[in-house]
Amino acid sequence: LAKTTQPISMDSYEGQEVNITCSHNNIATNDYITWYQQFPSQGPRFIIQGYKTKVTNEVASLFIPADRKSSTLSLPRVSLSDTAVYYCLVGDERGSTLGRLYFGRGTQLTVWP
Amino acid sequence: DAGVIQSPRHEVTEMGQEVTLRCKPISGHDYLFWYRQTMMRGLELLIYFNNNVPIDDSGMPEDRFSAKMPNASFSTLKIQPSEPRDSAVYFCASSFGTEYEQYFGPGTRLTVT
Repeated sequence: LAKTTQPISMDSYEGQEVNITCSHNNIATNDYITWYQQFPSQGPRFIIQGYKTKVTNEVASLFIPADRKSSTLSLPRVSLSDTAVYYCLVGDERGSTLGRLYFGRGTQLTVWP
Repeated sequence: DAGVIQSPRHEVTEMGQEVTLRCKPISGHDYLFWYRQTMMRGLELLIYFNNNVPIDDSGMPEDRFSAKMPNASFSTLKIQPSEPRDSAVYFCASSFGTEYEQYFGPGTRLTVT
């Protein structure tokens, strides 16, 4: 029943660029791709959303290939404070809201000094 | 704005007792969501409201769980009777005009002994 597939964990060092890829083979035509960030003992925080190609904001960039079956969240020059769980959300073929808002377990990113 | 407010922040109760969690969404937001987060299952959507009306409650685990939204500024999630397996962090989130860009509260950590 997995709607998205992300790596369970990733490690990086300060100052490096981090790319987290999410697979969503069953994405529906009208569905957007949304990423959230969650720090320990806090609720998730919206980072970025996109439909196709590339979206960039002050926090991250989101790359989406033409087939939209995957997406990559790119964090430039990470710092220790970027250590968090990152969630990728997309829709599924049912089109239900619960499907679109499936967080799963996300990717635990750990940034080392 | 103070953000989404949840109370209590921590709740410890005995099995069989009634538990009521409270949420005040961000003023002006028309969507409200209740989530549960555990290590085993990750972050799960339980129910969501649009303009105070429950839209989808298929994520509610069983009849012991109920949620209400009597007005635009207040919602409750009730568990009666509570069981140890209900122990989790419960998040409330709200958004405006879209289900995707949500603002989460700090969560309520519930422990049922």
